Amino acid sequence: GQSLEQPSEVTAVEGAIVQINCTYQTSGFYGLSWYQQHDGGAPTFLSYNGLDGLEETGRFSSFLSRSDSYGYLLLQELQMKDSASYFCAVRSRMDSSYKLIFGSGTRLLVRP
Amino acid sequence: GAVVSQHPSWVICKSGTSVKIECRSLDFQATTMFWYRQFPKQSLMLMATSNEGSKATYEQGVEKDKFLINHASLTLSTLTVTSAHPEDSSFYICSARAGGGQETQYFGPGTRLLVL
Repeated sequence: GQSLEQPSEVTAVEGAIVQINCTYQTSGFYGLSWYQQHDGGAPTFLSYNGLDGLEETGRFSSFLSRSDSYGYLLLQELQMKDSASYFCAVRSRMDSSYKLIFGSGTRLLVRP
Repeated sequence: GAVVSQHPSWVICKSGTSVKIECRSLDFQATTMFWYRQFPKQSLMLMATSNEGSKATYEQGVEKDKFLINHASLTLSTLTVTSAHPEDSSFYICSARAGGGQETQYFGPGTRLLVL
């Protein structure tokens, strides 16, 4: 089967740095993606790691260690608008087709 | 970035009726489309994967006779919830992938279904 684990909630202060971890167990692992979802909205793509290491996109960075089946999303200079749910998602390849399987999500609350 | 639309954005229906949700890729041809369901404060659960011109592949536990998926063209996929019941009330989200080496999935805005 496939499973992803991430913390259910994280609270941080505006301007701070927060790291959201994700561990996974899956077959046919191809890469790890991160999505942001505000209440009532659709998920929006943040970052993707196909190889080990750090990917940086503005205030957001994502890291992957395939040997540890582990990744994280790092959010810097937190802003109030960053309050949302963050999902890690495994891109897996099965029978020559790709799927995106989502974790349970981490609800981030940014306080003033 | 690529745009995916869904229609309707929300729908309220009576128990026992069928509801059709459309998913369109507006500026690219989507060889593969995915349908997800999300209950409040929960994750997105993949329901099925559909490739243009072929039958959809359903995830374990998803009733293919209840959730009919049609992907008749490269820009349109439909999900029909047949004989809807209150427990089918959820947020249904589609996503589309262009294929041909393009692996990014673009998500639609979602359709909120309420079955009374």
